[in-house]
Amino acid sequence: QSALTQPASVSGSPGQSITISCTGTSSDVGAYNYVSWYQQHPGKAPKLMIYDVTNRPSGVSNRFSGSKSGNTASLTISGLQAEDEADYYCSSYTTSSTSVFGGGTKLTVL
Amino acid sequence: QITLKESGPTLVKPTQTLTLTCTFSGFSFNTRGVGVAWIRQPPGKALEWLAVIYWDDDKRYSPSLKSRLTITKDTSKNQVVLTMTNMNPVDTATYYCAHRTVTTPRQDYWGQGTLVTVSS
Repeated sequence: QSALTQPASVSGSPGQSITISCTGTSSDVGAYNYVSWYQQHPGKAPKLMIYDVTNRPSGVSNRFSGSKSGNTASLTISGLQAEDEADYYCSSYTTSSTSVFGGGTKLTVL
Repeated sequence: QITLKESGPTLVKPTQTLTLTCTFSGFSFNTRGVGVAWIRQPPGKALEWLAVIYWDDDKRYSPSLKSRLTITKDTSKNQVVLTMTNMNPVDTATYYCAHRTVTTPRQDYWGQGTLVTVSS
């Protein structure tokens, strides 16, 4: 299984919205509604932000939302804040009952 | 409150076998659907999913590393052990364990991670 494809970097100004894409195949992203997104600040463990494509864990801001179309999932962050600057990773369940991560996207808040 | 903590050597030599232990609290393998996964992250690089073990001892491995990995659990000790054989400098990474369930395969609680360096 190959890593999911994410843009290496995205940027936006405070208050703006950004979207990070995550492209897989029909054996992972396209196969199930089991895409999750993780936020990672430098030196910290990843934090779950979105699961099952669109669901937010308790405590995660509703500025974070997820969607999927075919083999591509997306994470949208609205009303960008300085604290959103971090690395973001998508992950998907696969038809082999394993998981796979994306290559990560560095979000810069200008 | 779910917590997980990784432990093991910080330095291993090439060709050696790495053994990491994940000790957790706040959940139990006596609960149907519970699982623990391992994920690693080389310095400055992306996350890589390694393996998972579930309450019923079902195990899944990353296809690219399957021949080198073994995951086991000790239900009475609330521990999961990951072994990786034939370590190489490219295996230098922070290794994380995480709580996972079979119903929605996400990693929802993570340990702090442990950095393992492979060097002679």
